[in-house]
Amino acid sequence: RKEVEQDPGPFNVPEGATVAFNCTYSNSASQSFFWYRQDCRKEPKLLMSVYSSGNEDGRFTAQLNRASQYISLLIRDSKLSDSATYLCVVNSGGGADGLTFGKGTHLIIQP
Amino acid sequence: GAVVSQHPSRVICKSGTSVKIECRSLDFQATTMFWYRQFPKQSLMLMATSNEGSKATYEQGVEKDKFLINHASLTLSTLTVTSAHPEDSSFYICSARILVGWETQYFGPGTRLLVL
Repeated sequence: RKEVEQDPGPFNVPEGATVAFNCTYSNSASQSFFWYRQDCRKEPKLLMSVYSSGNEDGRFTAQLNRASQYISLLIRDSKLSDSATYLCVVNSGGGADGLTFGKGTHLIIQP
Repeated sequence: GAVVSQHPSRVICKSGTSVKIECRSLDFQATTMFWYRQFPKQSLMLMATSNEGSKATYEQGVEKDKFLINHASLTLSTLTVTSAHPEDSSFYICSARILVGWETQYFGPGTRLLVL
């Protein structure tokens, strides 16, 4: 089983719509969770950290469900500039401080 | 956010040559940096953890003699791909770890390596 799994998409969504992605992780000891955004042929950039209580940043809302081991990202009022690949990222801590990335979910916002 | 630079951004080389990639933290000190590799349409895969003043820690399946890592200062880590072959062609990205309240990593812009 892969450590971090995401639906690769693509998700084709009209501008202004709300879109949600889920991600599941296999390591129950995972400690930190993030959503990164990666534009084509660019490096990943941190979109937001995911806190246990859930958190919101403008149009973006992240949720963590430890019992079911999944993370979600909700984007409201989607913009054309939101088109990108969204990477679910988990840090399992311990001796491995590097992040484990999902393969990403490709989002295309259509005018 | 913090700034991490990488150089070069793109390199094309002949098979058998060695390529050095530099990763610098520009406005902060990073005791730990990470090297990732991303093949087309694949996720980033951690190659190794680079610790200032000590040997790098390599992930399973990554050859330490092929991918030499040196973290000589708190702002610089280098990755040298020795005797590069076409299968080493990839997108190499470094990141620097910051621990300020909530841990996060900032990524360099990446280096595209094409081995002919």
